[in-house]
Amino acid sequence: GESVGLHLPTLSVQEGDNSIINCAYSNSASDYFIWYKQESGKGPQFIIDIRSNMDKRQGQRVTVLLNKTVKHLSLQIAATQPGDSAVYFCAENTGGYSTLTFGKGTMLLVSP
Amino acid sequence: NAGVTQTPKFRILKIGQSMTLQCAQDMNHNYMYWYRQDPGMGLKLIYYSVGAGITDKGEVPNGYNVSRSTTEDFPLRLELAAPSQTSVYFCASSSATPYEQYFGPGTRLTVT
Repeated sequence: GESVGLHLPTLSVQEGDNSIINCAYSNSASDYFIWYKQESGKGPQFIIDIRSNMDKRQGQRVTVLLNKTVKHLSLQIAATQPGDSAVYFCAENTGGYSTLTFGKGTMLLVSP
Repeated sequence: NAGVTQTPKFRILKIGQSMTLQCAQDMNHNYMYWYRQDPGMGLKLIYYSVGAGITDKGEVPNGYNVSRSTTEDFPLRLELAAPSQTSVYFCASSSATPYEQYFGPGTRLTVT
């Protein structure tokens, strides 16, 4: 079965709000985590990644937080824009040749 | 750079037919992957390759075959297509492990 899952299948926010997308993982040996954005009809696009020796990593308008104690990962998007509307996937690497295990995804809907 | 390219974009197969999904990357990446994505689901790894001449099974390899004769190309072969293989297929590549994977635009396959 899947070891990576998401708490919320759909998240609706207003433009300008901050969005938080959550992800739980079950394999404590996972050492690399990554977030992808997938727009309708397109392939996944890299957003941000984090390794297990870090708790937090920031990018442009995005922050990923890793809590290894409770095996939880979150993606924070600041000042959410309509263009952020997409499905967001978290994925983990459990070792080996970079074989990522993907969660089911969360749909983020941003209203103007 | 074109990145990761996939052909065809769409295909309809009859049960029992065979076809090859093409994937090419121009980033000189050693690692390449094939995933399938069913509606409302995350990506499942079918096969992957860590370099020319080396391939290995992922989570859902049954009904598929791959080859990797060059660094650039990683075709996926479907033999005796079945309705259960109706899905969107994504090819991806990465330069190192574990590291971000770059995805192609996908091939939407319907088997009827």
